Amino acid sequence: AQSVSQHNHHVILSEAASLELGCNYSYGGTVNLFWYVQYPGQHLQLLLKYFSGDPLVKGIKGFEAEFIKSKFSFNLRKPSVQWSDTAEYFCAVKGLSSGGYNKLIFGAGTRLAVHP
Amino acid sequence: NAGVMQNPRHLVRRRGQEARLRCSPMKGHSHVYWYRQLPEEGLKFMVYLQKENIIDESGMPKERFSAEFPKEGPSILRIQQVVRGDSAAYFCASSPPTGPGTEAFFGQGTRLTVV
Repeated sequence: AQSVSQHNHHVILSEAASLELGCNYSYGGTVNLFWYVQYPGQHLQLLLKYFSGDPLVKGIKGFEAEFIKSKFSFNLRKPSVQWSDTAEYFCAVKGLSSGGYNKLIFGAGTRLAVHP
Repeated sequence: NAGVMQNPRHLVRRRGQEARLRCSPMKGHSHVYWYRQLPEEGLKFMVYLQKENIIDESGMPKERFSAEFPKEGPSILRIQQVVRGDSAAYFCASSPPTGPGTEAFFGQGTRLTVV
């Protein structure tokens, strides 16, 4: 069965600090990986995704993530955060099995608070 | 192309009543997910549906909860005889026929409050 683990539940940063949010998944086969963001009171929106090719993927708003297959990781990074990045961030995985792609499974989320 | 539409946005039910949550997927999307979100618990998978077919319902409680996605019309998540513990935000997501890189698009959610 596939699962996702996000290491940090709460992160507090000052503006301009660098961000790295950890994500590890458990699945032995081919995976598609996603990071979603949920701003306060809003629905989830896709930040970026990986499904093949260059393991370093770039998303919207200056975010990027690196897929490291040997570590089963897909950490999210941003060199310099802004107050407007305050939100909850979710890592998600979808594995490929013999019957096709499995359901999309989410981690518990990381709440990021950025102080001006 | 309208996004994923969920209604109602807010639903209040008394204990023992039924709750019906609706989700209209984006045009061209044939797959629907339902998730439940509780504070500090992230998004819990409930059910994954294709039109007229349940693909995976491993996250659905065995009793009182059911979901459908008919050939015509929205997907419905139905909770019978609601209890206080059912209070949560319920999110629906839709996606095209699944393939590499297909992403899920989320609705605004329905906040269910059981009083």
